[in-house]
Amino acid sequence: GEEVAQTPKHLVRGEGQKAKLYCAPIKGHSYVFWYQQVLKNEFKFLISFQNENVFDETGMPKERFSAKCLPNSPCSLEIQATKLEDSAVYFCASSQLQTGRGTEAFFGQGTRLTVV
Amino acid sequence: KNQVEQSPQSLIILEGKNCTLQCNYTVSPFSNLRWYKQDTGRGPVSLTIMTFSENTKSNGRYTATLDADTKQSSLHITASQLSDSASYICVLHKAAGNKLTFGGGTRVLVKP
Repeated sequence: GEEVAQTPKHLVRGEGQKAKLYCAPIKGHSYVFWYQQVLKNEFKFLISFQNENVFDETGMPKERFSAKCLPNSPCSLEIQATKLEDSAVYFCASSQLQTGRGTEAFFGQGTRLTVV
Repeated sequence: KNQVEQSPQSLIILEGKNCTLQCNYTVSPFSNLRWYKQDTGRGPVSLTIMTFSENTKSNGRYTATLDADTKQSSLHITASQLSDSASYICVLHKAAGNKLTFGGGTRVLVKP
C-alpha cells in the first residue's frame, strides 16, 4: 500500500487483559519501527525490524511486550497483561532503507490504547 | 535527561506572522536531524531531513537550520496559516543504530 496502515484506531482493555496491535508497512519498505507516544508528546522507541528479523529491540519491556513481522502478514505488537501505564498511542513507521542514510520514515495514524 | 530539548513548549501566533522553533540536542555523533509536523490525532509527517553536514533545508514555507557547533537546530515558519496549527517535533538519528530520538515537541496554534 501507499501508506502505513495501523489497526485498530482505538483499543480499550481492562487491566490484565491482552492487547494486540497491527501494522501494514508501505509495500517495498524493508524496515518497520514501533514507537509509543505517551502524554507530553514523548515518543519512546520500542523495536525495529528489517523484514521479518528483529533489528533493534532495546526499547521493549520484554516481560510483557512482544512483536513480530512475518512474511505476507501485517506486523503485530502484543502486550500481555496490560497495565494502566501502557495507555498511550502506539505508532508504527516504515522506511525503505535504514533511516541513518537519511531515508524518510513514514508513520501510520497510530493506535490509541486505553487501559482501564 | 532528554537528549533532544525543544522550546518553547507551546506558541500562539497570528495568521500571516512568522515564528521560529528551537531544538537543542546532545545526541552525538548523529547522522541526520529531522523536523516532523504532527496534527492532532495523526501520525508525524516529515518536513525536512538534514545530514550533519548541512546547514539549512527548506520545504515550502518551512525552513530548518542546523548549527552542529552549538548543537542547535531551528524551524522557521513563514507567513503562518491556520493549517500550520500542530505539534512540531525535532528528531535526531544517532550515527549508530537505526532508530530516531524524539524531542518533546512545540505545540503551535495559529489564530485568525
